[in-house]
Amino acid sequence: GAVVSQHPSRVICKSGTSVKIECRSLDFQATTMFWYRQFPKKSLMLMATSNEGSKATYEQGVEKDKFLINHASLTLSTLTVTSAHPEDSSFYICSARLAGGHNEQFFGPGTRLTVL
Amino acid sequence: DQQVKQNSPSLSVQEGRISILNCDYTNSMFDYFLWYKKYPAEGPTFLISISSIKDKNEDGRFTVFLNKSAKHLSLHIVPSQPGDSAVYFCAASRVRGSNYKLTFGKGTLLTVNP
Repeated sequence: GAVVSQHPSRVICKSGTSVKIECRSLDFQATTMFWYRQFPKKSLMLMATSNEGSKATYEQGVEKDKFLINHASLTLSTLTVTSAHPEDSSFYICSARLAGGHNEQFFGPGTRLTVL
Repeated sequence: DQQVKQNSPSLSVQEGRISILNCDYTNSMFDYFLWYKKYPAEGPTFLISISSIKDKNEDGRFTVFLNKSAKHLSLHIVPSQPGDSAVYFCAASRVRGSNYKLTFGKGTLLTVNP
C-alpha cells in the first residue's frame, strides 16, 4: 500500500515551453501532497504544500507563477513548470501524506526535467 | 540555517556489521522524525519513524534511537547487507501547526561492502 506515482519519469523540453508533472496516490487518499526539488548531491528542497481543493502554500523563494500547482482531487496533484529555462532542470519529486493524521509521507519515483 | 544536520556525508561498513547513521536537529519544536532511503534517480522510500514521546522504535533490522535532550537521533541497521547501500535521509517535522512539512538533512551515503 501507499504507492505514489509520477508521470512522466523523464522529460526534455525546449526553453520557453511549459511542462506538466502529475503526482498520483494510487491506493490511498491524500489530503496533502508536497512538491520537492533535488539538486545534485543536495537534500530535498520543499517547494510547496498542496492541499486538496485549496491553493498551494509555497516556500520562501519559490515563484508561484513559475511553478503552478493544482490539487484537484484527493489522489492527484500537478506541478506545471511554466516558461521553463535551463536553470529549472532538476529532479522533481512529489510526496503524499495519508489522510487521517498520519505523519509519514510517501514519495513518488521522481521526474527528471531537462530544459535545453 | 540547517535545522536538520547529517554531518557524515558517507559511511562504509562491512556486510554483517552494524551501520549507524546519525542525525542532529536544532529546532526543539520538532516532534516527529523519519528516516528515508534513496537510490539515485528514484524517490525516497520510507523506512522508519519515531515520535518524540518515545526514545526507541524497532522494525526488523532497523532501529531508530531518539535522544531529545541532545537533539540527536540515529538509525541502526543490523546486520548490514549490500542491498542497504543507498543514501539515507533523516527528516523532522512538527505534527501540529506545520501542515506536516518535513525538513530533510543532506543525507548520508551508506556503502555496505560484501
